[in-house]
Parts: sequence; C-alpha cells; structure tokens
Amino acid sequence: AAGVIQSPRHLIKEKRETATLKCYPIPRHDTVYWYQQGPGQDPQFLISFYEKMQSDKGSIPDRFSAQQFSDYHSELNMSSLELGDSALYFCASSSNQGAPGTDTQYFGPGTRLTVL
Amino acid sequence: GQQLNQSPQSMFIQEGEDVSMNCTSSSIFNTWLWYKQDPGEGPVLLIALYKAGELTSNGRLTAQFGITRKDSFLNISASIPSDVGIYFCAGQLLGGGTSYGKLTFGQGTILTVHP
Repeated sequence: AAGVIQSPRHLIKEKRETATLKCYPIPRHDTVYWYQQGPGQDPQFLISFYEKMQSDKGSIPDRFSAQQFSDYHSELNMSSLELGDSALYFCASSSNQGAPGTDTQYFGPGTRLTVL
Repeated sequence: GQQLNQSPQSMFIQEGEDVSMNCTSSSIFNTWLWYKQDPGEGPVLLIALYKAGELTSNGRLTAQFGITRKDSFLNISASIPSDVGIYFCAGQLLGGGTSYGKLTFGQGTILTVHP
C-alpha cells in the first residue's frame, strides 16, 4: 500500500539559510499534519491542513510557514534557520471525516534536518 | 497544554517475557493510539482505540482505552528481538476547536529485548 512520502530524507543547512520540506500524503487523504521531533524527544505538533486550508496551529515559529496545494501535497518552509531547528520533521496524513475513527494518522519516514 | 505521562521510560527484558506500558492524561481524549518508532524512522501505527473501555488486539499486542478516557495501556506478549524500539502513546481529540485532530504524544518507552 502507498505510504506518506517525504523529501528530502536528509538536509544539511547553514545557520540563517532557508529550507523547504515536502510531503506527499497517502492517495485520497485530505489532511496533512507536520510534527517536529528533537533528539530524545517525542514528536511535537507544528501545523495541519485540511482541504488546503490551515486547520490547526501548534508550536510553530514565525520563521516557519506551510501550505497545502491543490494536489494535497504540503510544503514546510523554514527561514533564518537556527541551530535549534535541527530535528526530525515528520508529516502525517489522514482521511478526515471529523469523527473518532476517521482521522487515523499515518506518518512518513521523516526529514532529518541538520543546521550547522 | 495537554500532557501525557508515559511509563516506564525504558525497559530491559529477556526474549519471551511480557511487557506492559501505560499512559495517563490530565484531560480527556476520544482516541488513543500506540505507535512504534525505530531510530531515524517515522512512527508506525500499532493499535488505534476509539471507544472508552475498548480492548483491542493486534497479534501479540493488546491495548485498552481507559473508561475515564484519560488513560491507556499497551501489552506485548512473548517479546522477540524485533520488538526493540521506542513505543509512543498518543491522544487525539476530535470534534472541533483549536485541538482538532492533532496528536499529543507521551514521552515514549524505550524497549530493549535481550536474546
């Protein structure tokens, strides 16, 4: 079965540079979630989109922005990168029908971002 | 914000032993999920629980959604070396509002299985 695709899998950037992470959800999934996982930490919710509209926002820095496109893929744009942005970034997708049992999230393999 | 307390933080067991881990929350969730994560990889869904009191099995794994909707446990029976990894519980609250759909994770349980 098709899974969530994320690219790139690894990314190395310098401080103050920008980065773009891409997420391709499971076919027919209309909702995308972004999470950040620091070393030894649990994933923390950043932002989500449902039908191309932002549906929820978590602890996402103002330097980060994201959007969901007409084909439902999503991109997370990160500017003025800081050392502390080094982390695993996961995208999860779901088919959201607004009720328990209909929004099970499946995660992609992640993008490991290293800021030097 | 909502927080999940997951315990134990780590477990070292012998192959063949049973394992139990749990999560508690100060607030209610209407969905509980258990994920397994290998180093550098994405969390993989193990079991999803949608109703208070629900007990669900997936092979050697069994999980329950607490009656109060504030807790859940995961049991692994007859552990094998490939069970090694980090297990996360996650709570989800659906139904509108600013917490719509996002997952709140526990701190994780690191499982080591000795052959």
